[in-house]
Amino acid sequence: DQQVKQNSPSLSVQEGRISILNCDYTNSMFDYFLWYKKYPAEGPTFLISISSIKDKNEDGRFTVFLNKSAKHLSLHIVPSQPGDSAVYFCAASEGSGNTGKLIFGQGTTLQVKP
Amino acid sequence: NAGVMQNPRHLVRRRGQEARLRCSPMKGHSHVYWYRQLPEEGLKFMVYLQKENIIDESGMPKERFSAEFPKEGPSILRIQQVVRGDSAAYFCASSPEVGGSNQPQHFGDGTRLSIL
Repeated sequence: DQQVKQNSPSLSVQEGRISILNCDYTNSMFDYFLWYKKYPAEGPTFLISISSIKDKNEDGRFTVFLNKSAKHLSLHIVPSQPGDSAVYFCAASEGSGNTGKLIFGQGTTLQVKP
Repeated sequence: NAGVMQNPRHLVRRRGQEARLRCSPMKGHSHVYWYRQLPEEGLKFMVYLQKENIIDESGMPKERFSAEFPKEGPSILRIQQVVRGDSAAYFCASSPEVGGSNQPQHFGDGTRLSIL
């Protein structure tokens, strides 16, 4: 029972263009969502998060959009850079009142070509 | 400001041996989480601990696995009588005490456990 799904295992984008990574979830109790970036042999690095009371959060080149009715979120990276090449994980939690455990998607491998 | 520290980075054990994985959270963090990543999969939650307390162990296998976070020292994930299926990357994460929910968790670089 995969509560958080990233249906695209991989994505290839040209340097300077926009990268859009997608994530769907099934549990309507999720109210806090995060994106992590992971390089091989390293731990996930926190990128950006969004609470369910918002529909957009922006931090530099990274923007996360949340569509609660569709149970869908996306991460936009613009402009994409070769150093952005990594595996991106979306994660969700039930937020306040719970233990804070994160449920992760399977990941999307992003390749940014120079 | 040191990040989450895990050791060892790599651990090799033979079937039937015990594996001990250690995690020191970021300074000022008192919430510790353990996750496991199997090859080609995402991270799966195992257990959530605060100092001297297990808060949520819903992701822990019922047998052979245990975790602790003592008052002093690192958090320990212990796997007894390891089997080949325990081969995975084990990641520890921590978050601050204040507002433990809706705070991002910060991860260590993991321990890669290989069972011969």
